[in-house]
Amino acid sequence: GQQLNQSPQSMFIQEGEDVSMNCTSSSIFNTWLWYKQEPGEGPVLLIALYKAGELTSNGRLTAQFGITRKDSFLNISASIPSDVGIYFCAGRWDDKIIFGKGTRLHILP
Amino acid sequence: DVKVTQSSRYLVKRTGEKVFLECVQDMDHENMFWYRQDPGLGLRLIYFSYDVKMKEKGDIPEGYSVSREKKERFSLILESASTNQTSMYLCASSHPGTGGSVGGYTFGSGTRLTVV
Repeated sequence: GQQLNQSPQSMFIQEGEDVSMNCTSSSIFNTWLWYKQEPGEGPVLLIALYKAGELTSNGRLTAQFGITRKDSFLNISASIPSDVGIYFCAGRWDDKIIFGKGTRLHILP
Repeated sequence: DVKVTQSSRYLVKRTGEKVFLECVQDMDHENMFWYRQDPGLGLRLIYFSYDVKMKEKGDIPEGYSVSREKKERFSLILESASTNQTSMYLCASSHPGTGGSVGGYTFGSGTRLTVV
């Protein structure tokens, strides 16, 4: 079946550093999504991308929809303690969404 | 504020009990989903529904059933709870995705179920 490969699985960074994570797939999607899940909560949508090549920002977050439609990345600039959580990528084709396994972000004091 | 509401944040049940997890959305979404989330395994789809009284099996339906009698409510049922069903359960909803730019799913806050 379809799979998304999300990397890295976890990251330990210093506050103030930039973060980069990505997702790749063997399938093409017509929408790429990035979610964040904080401890004890459900995932919350951060950014949705609808067009190949699209680059979208949401505050310190920037995400891109890959030209091949098979990949996407998320960057977080100048990380702060509240960025801690699990970040999920997801690819959507019609009604079906496939999720990556998540990148767990830890921020060291 | 639009939302997906899961009736319980935490549940503890005994092995063999019948367990109902309720989910209600107020966004008039046609599609609703149940996932379970376990460390290292990500989100795994249990069942989904694209319409009232309609249900489809996801990737891991064994040991579960669902009910969708009304558009806004989607219930997950554990017929006879077992310890390997201890997990975080997430409900989600969305509009249909066919054609056009449609965003992602809206998730509830989750129910952490422990079966002892």
